[in-house]
Amino acid sequence: QVLLQESGPGLVKPSETLSLTCSVSGDSFTSSYWNWIRLAPGRGLEWIGYIFYTGDTDYNPSLESRVTLSVDTSKHQFSLKLRSVTAADTAVYFCARDRALGAFDSWGQGTLVTVSS
Amino acid sequence: DIVLTQSPATLSLSPGERATLSCRASQTIGNSLAWYQHQPGQAPRLLIYDASIRATGTPARFSASGSGTDFTLTISSLDPEDFAVYYCQLRSTWPPYRFGQGTKLDIK
Repeated sequence: QVLLQESGPGLVKPSETLSLTCSVSGDSFTSSYWNWIRLAPGRGLEWIGYIFYTGDTDYNPSLESRVTLSVDTSKHQFSLKLRSVTAADTAVYFCARDRALGAFDSWGQGTLVTVSS
Repeated sequence: DIVLTQSPATLSLSPGERATLSCRASQTIGNSLAWYQHQPGQAPRLLIYDASIRATGTPARFSASGSGTDFTLTISSLDPEDFAVYYCQLRSTWPPYRFGQGTKLDIK
């Protein structure tokens, strides 16, 4: 059984950097791909990127220029930084696991991040 | 890039009815498709992976089929808790993951 929990500010100003952390409890940290996914108002789910425990990453091409993922294996945490945010980045941000199924079998509850001055 | 197109956008049915949701890929993707259920305010829930394999805890009334470009999720008899938004999701080489735009299953 794995549990994921997102944390970070719920309000970010335009042009600043959105920073979130996902804490993982349970096993599989070194055998899974750790992902960020978001759901913007009126839109569908959008995959942002993944990180493996080794630090290997892959990003959505539409966000790649603004996104950085990092991992802290000692704390079983991984983090998202999204730079130069605009109102279009307002969304519920989820962290999720893919244990090499090609699908996300465990999710955090999600955290709403609003971009506003 | 491969595009996933879900239809219909909205499906209005009554409890006890059968629901059929479609996901079409713009190129052949083998069986690398998953389905999710999303209730407002909750985390999405994995229902199906590898096109037809029920995830742990998925009720037997959910079934899925397809390969190549056309995929279907069927709910044999709708329970009130099944009314939600359903997404299909592709696992590919680049980009690694992509979602369809979703089908909203409404109570009629």
